[in-house]
Amino acid sequence: EIVMTQSPATLSVSPGERATLSCRASQSVSSNLAWYQQKPGQAPRLLIYGASTRATGIPARFSGSGSGTEFTLTISSLQSEDFAVYYCQQYNNWPPVTFGGGTKVEIK
Amino acid sequence: EVQLVESGGGLVQPGGSLRLSCAASGFTFSSYEMNWVRQAPGKGLEWVSYISSSGSTIYYADSVKGRFTISRDNAKNSLYLQMNSLRAEDTAVYYCARVVGYCSGGSCYRGWFDPWGQGTLVTVSS
Repeated sequence: EIVMTQSPATLSVSPGERATLSCRASQSVSSNLAWYQQKPGQAPRLLIYGASTRATGIPARFSGSGSGTEFTLTISSLQSEDFAVYYCQQYNNWPPVTFGGGTKVEIK
Repeated sequence: EVQLVESGGGLVQPGGSLRLSCAASGFTFSSYEMNWVRQAPGKGLEWVSYISSSGSTIYYADSVKGRFTISRDNAKNSLYLQMNSLRAEDTAVYYCARVVGYCSGGSCYRGWFDPWGQGTLVTVSS
């Protein structure tokens, strides 16, 4: 099973600042990585797939990078609606599909 | 609009059973692979089960294998999860999610999940 590790667990950022979230895989997943955003009481929403391709309707301030075992989600200028929990997911080798433990982006 | 709507959650005693449903609309359900994913209160996402478009291929997480059964009825555009021998640790919001496939190098693969339903809460407690 591929273990996905996200850091930090919590990120405190001021509106307008840049946020950088990390995701590490226990073995290579190539570029087969997705990022999801989840707000309280809501279902996860797809942000990024293929490590760097934005899903339909996702603002350009969200960008993904990386391949192999190291990945990054960057939010260039945080808006109020971006404060949420973010999860990475590998789909290179499943079953099982595996998710990271999540990074909570909170208001500083 | 592509939509997934779960139902069937509720309070059940340990050892009991529950059947969840997921109604799909806005897309050709029979062409898509589907999953169940759960989220315990205050915790992260845990994949539970997968079913291929025809229902011929099924996978389970080790934590539910032998207790849960995934199925689908393509004529009714519906996905199901039969949960037996429920435990306190099965308490979670259960989401259904569509698999988006992708092709590379002449082969096609299972990919990411989009969209997700709004979830249904299952509480296992005496």
